[in-house]
Amino acid sequence: AQKITQTQPGMFVQEKEAVTLDCTYDTSDPSYGLFWYKQPSSGEMIFLIYQGSYDQQNATEGRYSLNFQKARKSANLVISASQLGDSAMYFCAMREENSGNTPLVFGKGTRLSVIA
Amino acid sequence: EPEVTQTPSHQVTQMGQEVILRCVPISNHLYFYWYRQILGQKVEFLVSFYNNEISEKSEIFDDQFSVERPDGSNFTLKIRSTKLEDSAMYFCASSVSTGGNYEQFFGPGTRLTVL
Repeated sequence: AQKITQTQPGMFVQEKEAVTLDCTYDTSDPSYGLFWYKQPSSGEMIFLIYQGSYDQQNATEGRYSLNFQKARKSANLVISASQLGDSAMYFCAMREENSGNTPLVFGKGTRLSVIA
Repeated sequence: EPEVTQTPSHQVTQMGQEVILRCVPISNHLYFYWYRQILGQKVEFLVSFYNNEISEKSEIFDDQFSVERPDGSNFTLKIRSTKLEDSAMYFCASSVSTGGNYEQFFGPGTRLTVL
């Protein structure tokens, strides 16, 4: 069964600094996708970045990058040059991709607070 | 930019009442999902839907829950007899395909409060 673990319930970062949010996963499926979503206080889920299990390079999207270490089963999110608007809950999620319409499995999330 | 919409944004109901949560997925998407998030907890999968039938459902999705795509645009989640523990944020999501980097686009959610 799939499992996502986010061990940091809360993180603080100074504005303009970089921060890494940890995510480890467990799956027996060789083909899977890893996702990060941001949930601000307003409640919506905002897609940030995707990494496929067969992708050779780490995914990047603007200030977001995913540090994918397949052997360690980790998919940490790196946010560079933090902004006050980055304060939110961040969820790591995974989907197995060998069996059709599979759902996302989410971790418990990390609450990031950016300090001015 | 196309987006998933959900109505109502907040629903308050009495225990034992039926509720219907409505979603309009993105128009060219074929795969639809419902998730829920109890306050302060992680997002949990309820059900996925494709080609007018349920693809997969979780243990949470018991006989009290049902989904329907009554027309070409709406996707609904019905809870027949609500319980206190059904209080949560319910998210609808849709994707154009499965697998690969086909992200699931989430709606803004419906906050259900059962009294």
